[in-house]
Amino acid sequence: NAGVTQTPKFQVLKTGQSMTLQCAQDMNHNSMYWYRQDPGMGLRLIYYSASEGTTDKGEVPNGYNVSRLNKREFSLRLESAAPSQTSVYFCASSEPTLGTFKQYFGPGTRLLVL
Amino acid sequence: AQSVTQLGSHVSVSEGALVLLRCNYSSSVPPYLFWYVQYPNQGLQLLLKYTTGATLVKGINGFEAEFKKSETSFHLTKPSAHMSDAAEYFCAVSYADRDDKIIFGKGTRLHILP
Repeated sequence: NAGVTQTPKFQVLKTGQSMTLQCAQDMNHNSMYWYRQDPGMGLRLIYYSASEGTTDKGEVPNGYNVSRLNKREFSLRLESAAPSQTSVYFCASSEPTLGTFKQYFGPGTRLLVL
Repeated sequence: AQSVTQLGSHVSVSEGALVLLRCNYSSSVPPYLFWYVQYPNQGLQLLLKYTTGATLVKGINGFEAEFKKSETSFHLTKPSAHMSDAAEYFCAVSYADRDDKIIFGKGTRLHILP
């Protein structure tokens, strides 16, 4: 049981390049989330998916797209990276029907946009 | 809008001393409250949570927090700090019934002095 896994762990991009951050969970959770973490800003929700086939915008969705490929996987795409997207990105999952309100986090992806 | 305020972005305590990390929320309805901990280069882990019932909640590693509705607070405490407690701590709130979306505070980095 690996929990929530993210790839890659580190990435350096040039401005304007595109990339996809991958996230997978093996806990059969319905809900999945993408956050970005910046110094002094805490975690801010980019997008979330309440179930397979559904996605919704969070607090800071501009410049990002997401795909809930299946129940396990939730990817985050940067179509044209900007230096302002330099951040640490965390994926998380949870199961609302359990009523525990507990989110499980992946180890993060550190992204540097030059 | 609902929000979470953590007083102090950095807190330093001596090893063996009391740890007190402050968290206040703004809401007119009862929230669900959480403390998450993030060790260096890792994702977030749930430390403890309050949903209903007893207002004093015990978590892992000797931490506890008390929900005080009259003060809209959920401060985190530990009687005796240990070097391994050095980490960043995030207070979070949720108001959802079935959706596990949560709002994070900006975090407090705890430093333990030898």
